[in-house]
Amino acid sequence: DTEVTQTPKHLVMGMTNKKSLKCEQHMGHRAMYWYKQKAKKPPELMFVYSYEKLSINESVPSRFSPECPNSSLLNLHLHALQPEDSALYLCASSSAGTVGETQYFGPGTRLLVL
Amino acid sequence: TQLLEQSPQFLSIQEGENLTVYCNSSSVFSSLQWYRQEPGEGPVLLVTVVTGGEVKKLKRLTFQFGDARKDSSLHITAAQPGDTGLYLCAGGGGSNYKLTFGKGTLLTVNP
Repeated sequence: DTEVTQTPKHLVMGMTNKKSLKCEQHMGHRAMYWYKQKAKKPPELMFVYSYEKLSINESVPSRFSPECPNSSLLNLHLHALQPEDSALYLCASSSAGTVGETQYFGPGTRLLVL
Repeated sequence: TQLLEQSPQFLSIQEGENLTVYCNSSSVFSSLQWYRQEPGEGPVLLVTVVTGGEVKKLKRLTFQFGDARKDSSLHITAAQPGDTGLYLCAGGGGSNYKLTFGKGTLLTVNP
């Protein structure tokens, strides 16, 4: 099973709202990732958690707040977003985060900020 | 900084034609992944290649990793409309966790 699940599939929010994106994997992977993807562009890395600790923050604005409650779950809390934050948000996981490791992506959450 | 040059960026062909997508770099990668992505969906892993000179086949798709592990190609034989999508190559090897993505090839196969 190489499945990563994400909820919700679609999300529309105003600039003053607070919402959360959820990601789950049951492959025993210990590295989990958040990416942002604009249409017809490659994914851009936002955050990496390794063994439930934040390992990489790619200078993401503080209106995005990641959380890793346990080894299977990854959340992305959203607050006071801007219209330019509208994008497809992808979660991914890999076995341990070592160099060259394959990452498996979820189906994504399509976010629209009004 | 590692870069992956992916070409062509756009490709529109007729059903039944063959095509090749290329990913090239001046850097060595420890692995190279190919993904296919449909609009509004996440990238789906097609293959991972790790050995220089490696060739992998997945039905009508053939993947090759260059001998020096700096380049890779994806060849599709007798393309079908279901092959339509964004094809992404991604190289691992610069550092832990990070993949270097090509800019993608948007393939349209017309019936």
